[in-house]
Amino acid sequence: QKEVEQNSGPLSVPEGAIASLNCTYSDRGSQSFFWYRQYSGKSPELIMSIYSNGDKEDGRFTAQLNKASQYVSLLIRDSQPSDSATYLCAVKGAGNQFYFGTGTSLTVIP
Amino acid sequence: EAGVAQSPRYKIIEKRQSVAFWCNPISGHATLYWYQQILGQGPKLLIQFQNNGVVDDSQLPKDRFSAERLKGVDSTLKIQPAKLEDSAVYLCASSRAGQLNTEAFFGQGTRLTVV
Repeated sequence: QKEVEQNSGPLSVPEGAIASLNCTYSDRGSQSFFWYRQYSGKSPELIMSIYSNGDKEDGRFTAQLNKASQYVSLLIRDSQPSDSATYLCAVKGAGNQFYFGTGTSLTVIP
Repeated sequence: EAGVAQSPRYKIIEKRQSVAFWCNPISGHATLYWYQQILGQGPKLLIQFQNNGVVDDSQLPKDRFSAERLKGVDSTLKIQPAKLEDSAVYLCASSRAGQLNTEAFFGQGTRLTVV
């Protein structure tokens, strides 16, 4: 299985702060990258996807991709208590397999 | 559009027993995935189907796990015999085929406890 690594956390930030989540991957041929959010006891749900180097913004969320460094990140601005969850980085392989990292647990403190 | 359906939601069995999980993907999604998620870990890909063919089963413990998708729609994952370390959530996901920019949609999962 292709390696996808995330900073282990847990990560705690105060409400209103920026949360920064990081991910590295081993397969240099990977083309598509996804961030999923998973609440405790629930299934993963997609937050953002990114395919090109650079930044992609969607509301309070910004995904950043650097293929040369094999690095993906997710920034959450103005963090809210409802953002408290585990964030999973997923990398899509050439055969359309989704490989997931171990996840980073985020807690936003009111 | 209906989501990915899984059943049962919960299952408790004794070690060495057998168990089966069912998944019905989103209509029109040719690709179906089964993942195992152990508490505190990320989802681990067990098997991937494209229609009724297996694309990747390199992480499937074939001595005890089996899966099928006979008509290219719904799928069944079986464990026989179960071990204590099989206690996990089994997630089914589906996606459209052949497009790198398509996401995987997950079902609610089946929580298996082996005692």
